Amino acid sequence: KQEVTQIPAALSVPEGENLVLNCSFTDSAIYNLQWFRQDPGKGLTSLLLIQSSQREQTSGRLNASLDKSSGRSTLYIAASQPGDSATYLCAVRVRGSWGKLQFGAGTQVVVTP
Amino acid sequence: DAGVTQSPTHLIKTRGQQVTLRCSPKSGHDTVSWYQQALGQGPQFIFQYYEEEERQRGNFPDRFSGHQFPNYSSELNVNALLLGDSALYLCASSLSGHSNQPQHFGDGTRLSIL
Repeated sequence: KQEVTQIPAALSVPEGENLVLNCSFTDSAIYNLQWFRQDPGKGLTSLLLIQSSQREQTSGRLNASLDKSSGRSTLYIAASQPGDSATYLCAVRVRGSWGKLQFGAGTQVVVTP
Repeated sequence: DAGVTQSPTHLIKTRGQQVTLRCSPKSGHDTVSWYQQALGQGPQFIFQYYEEEERQRGNFPDRFSGHQFPNYSSELNVNALLLGDSALYLCASSLSGHSNQPQHFGDGTRLSIL
């Protein structure tokens, strides 16, 4: 059974620092891994999707890496801003499923001015 | 290009009642998945609909049922509501056969059971 873990559960950094968010999963048989952002009481906004054959994916200040063999992904956010304050979730799409995503519990991020 | 839309945004029900939540997928998508997100937790997969059939189901009781219409929109029905059903219900849409594309989520329906 696939399990996804995100550590730490919460993180607070001063504005301008780089953010490093971790995601680990137990079964390496995945199609892809997706990072989402969730603002309080809102839905999920897709940030990056990494295919199982890729090592990393970049979009603006965001960079996500994937090490499938060790079951780890890391989301880097450069030069954090107060607007980056949100909960960040990772989810894996398991091979053999019809698109079911298995989520971690998320990391709640606060960027202080 | 409209994204995934869900209605209503909020609902308050009492124990034992029944509820119906609605979802319209992103234009061009044919697959709809439903998730339940309890406070402080990650979303949990309820089920997925494709071609008007339930294609896959998570670990949820039969009180949770759904439907997909010919226009790909979907409904989630929950019967005999329990206090533990209080959660944010999220709908996600995707295009079948395109596992390399991200799934898109709506803003959810916040269901509160009194």
